[in-house]
Amino acid sequence: DGGITQSPKYLFRKEGQNVTLSCEQNLNHDAMYWYRQDPGQGLRLIYYSQIVNDFQKGDIAEGYSVSREKKESFPLTVTSAQKNPTAFYLCASSISTLNTEAFFGQGTRLTVV
Amino acid sequence: AQRVTQPEKLLSVFKGAPVELKCNYSYSGSPELFWYVQYSRQRLQLLLRHISRESIKGFTADLNKGETSFHLKKPFAQEEDSAMYYCALSGRGGSEKLVFGKGMKLTVNP
Repeated sequence: DGGITQSPKYLFRKEGQNVTLSCEQNLNHDAMYWYRQDPGQGLRLIYYSQIVNDFQKGDIAEGYSVSREKKESFPLTVTSAQKNPTAFYLCASSISTLNTEAFFGQGTRLTVV
Repeated sequence: AQRVTQPEKLLSVFKGAPVELKCNYSYSGSPELFWYVQYSRQRLQLLLRHISRESIKGFTADLNKGETSFHLKKPFAQEEDSAMYYCALSGRGGSEKLVFGKGMKLTVNP
């Protein structure tokens, strides 16, 4: 069953702890993205990767880190430096970053208490 | 810098009425524009892209480079069109990242 999978669906963490969100795709896509979705804010780009072993900061990268060691995986770490980490996080992938359809995961809702 | 602006957050119409969802963009290079849709309890998915120039589910969108706009239109709205709609942009000649607008909620009433 091809697609893009985010896990877990819900995640709770204590303030001050780092947490890693998983994103896996078996679509053989080169490009992968992480967005944060807040009410009234739309989707804001955190990080993106055009190819394995490479990634670029998006518009709101502060307090986040990523890695792209494998083509199919693009984990996002929300660090303690992120001032307002409670949000809905969406991962996406596409064949490339140039005019190709992006496929989205179901999202992870992170709540920091 | 790449920027997408959707000036309206909400639009409510009756079934059969025309709809136009506005999108304006800012980009110094050659833009690629998209409309994505998110139906209730479903994943965000591509509705249409400007380069394909096709009509999907009765929706069309024309890229107007002079006005830097990519408005989404449908002549007769249906109840199943109720959803969140996002305009998005990627581009050549720049960082080639995919950025989205803030989205607009369309409600089509019976």
